[in-house]
Amino acid sequence: NAGVMQNPRHLVRRRGQEARLRCSPMKGHSHVYWYRQLPEEGLKFMVYLQKENIIDESGMPKERFSAEFPKEGPSILRIQQVVRGDSAAYFCASSRQQETQYFGPGTRLLVL
Amino acid sequence: KQEVTQIPAALSVPEGENLVLNCSFTDSAIYNLQWFRQDPGKGLTSLLLIQSSQREQTSGRLNASLDKSSGRSTLYIAASQPGDSATYLCAVSPTGNQFYFGTGTSLTVIP
Repeated sequence: NAGVMQNPRHLVRRRGQEARLRCSPMKGHSHVYWYRQLPEEGLKFMVYLQKENIIDESGMPKERFSAEFPKEGPSILRIQQVVRGDSAAYFCASSRQQETQYFGPGTRLLVL
Repeated sequence: KQEVTQIPAALSVPEGENLVLNCSFTDSAIYNLQWFRQDPGKGLTSLLLIQSSQREQTSGRLNASLDKSSGRSTLYIAASQPGDSATYLCAVSPTGNQFYFGTGTSLTVIP
């Protein structure tokens, strides 16, 4: 039973480009969460999704960031027009219901 | 807004010692609390999950306690080993969905 998968593991973008981060939850998990870990800071919640629905996006920046979890395929966190301050580790987690969250290995985004 | 604090920020102990990591949170209305381990450059590994109705959970050499009324949790590690060296994160959830994380305690176990 594979764990939470994230790809790419490392992503380099120039300012103004788009970044697309993918997350495949564990088998049987329909709840996905995205967190961001800025350098020297703790993890911060961004968004919580269930299949095809955004349940809580209170941690998402108001502009340039969006997330989806389609009926088929992985969850996508999309960052448009990236800036240097977006450089961080982005973690995805999944769970069945309100249970233990299992985290993926993260995507490390570097904006040049 | 929930604030989670972990003390100390860093801890260094000789191998074999028992140790306690502390976590405090400002809002006692939590659904559950989870302890994680993070190795450098890696993701998070779940260690223990405590529901709000529980007082403690145990797994092997690890024991986590929860005192909701005082807003505290502790992670007890018995007979520490060099392989326990990592950053330990405490996270609380008000609803069972999003977690609020502390900044972690960086543990080094010296052989």
